[in-house]
Amino acid sequence: DTGVSQDPRHKITKRGQNVTFRCDPISEHNRLYWYRQTLGQGPEFLTYFQNEAQLEKSRLLSDRFSAERPKGSFSTLEIQRTEQGDSAMYLCASSPNMGNTIYFGEGSWLTVV
Amino acid sequence: AQSVTQLGSHVSVSEGALVLLRCNYSSSVPPYLFWYVQYPNQGLQLLLKYTTGATLVKGINGFEAEFKKSETSFHLTKPSAHMSDAAEYFCAVSEDDYKLSFGAGTTVTVRA
Repeated sequence: DTGVSQDPRHKITKRGQNVTFRCDPISEHNRLYWYRQTLGQGPEFLTYFQNEAQLEKSRLLSDRFSAERPKGSFSTLEIQRTEQGDSAMYLCASSPNMGNTIYFGEGSWLTVV
Repeated sequence: AQSVTQLGSHVSVSEGALVLLRCNYSSSVPPYLFWYVQYPNQGLQLLLKYTTGATLVKGINGFEAEFKKSETSFHLTKPSAHMSDAAEYFCAVSEDDYKLSFGAGTTVTVRA
């Protein structure tokens, strides 16, 4: 069990560019979550998957954001036409099933310049 | 709707002193409650959680928290602070066991 893995850990991009983050959950965890954390704030829920199905999306997830989890394994979070307000840490998490602990990865820092 | 308020964005304690971090929540249903710790440039690690049953919950690293329904509180304590406890601590509530709502966090510094 290697924990939740996220890549890249840091990304600096110019405004208007697209970025993609990858998350590999703990093996056999069927739930996967994306959260966003800005400086001085707690994480905010973005979306979650049960296997390959995306079951809920926060209103924070604008049309420029898209998340996928093909085959119910790894997940990607893509941000199109990045804006400076997108600068944050994007946290991925996973859990095995209902009622269990949610395990977080170390996060992917995005800086939009 | 669920929400969390953490009282005090910064707490400074002496090594060996009591650590007390305050958390109040609002929830329309019996909540699940959590405390997470975050070290610089790292993700979140679960310290402890309350789901049902005993209201005094013991976690890792000597931390414990007590669920008080009448006060809608879930304060975190540790009897004796260690330098390694310096970190940011987040209280979180969930009504549905998958979507966590976090407080703004409390940064703990430990003085030698």
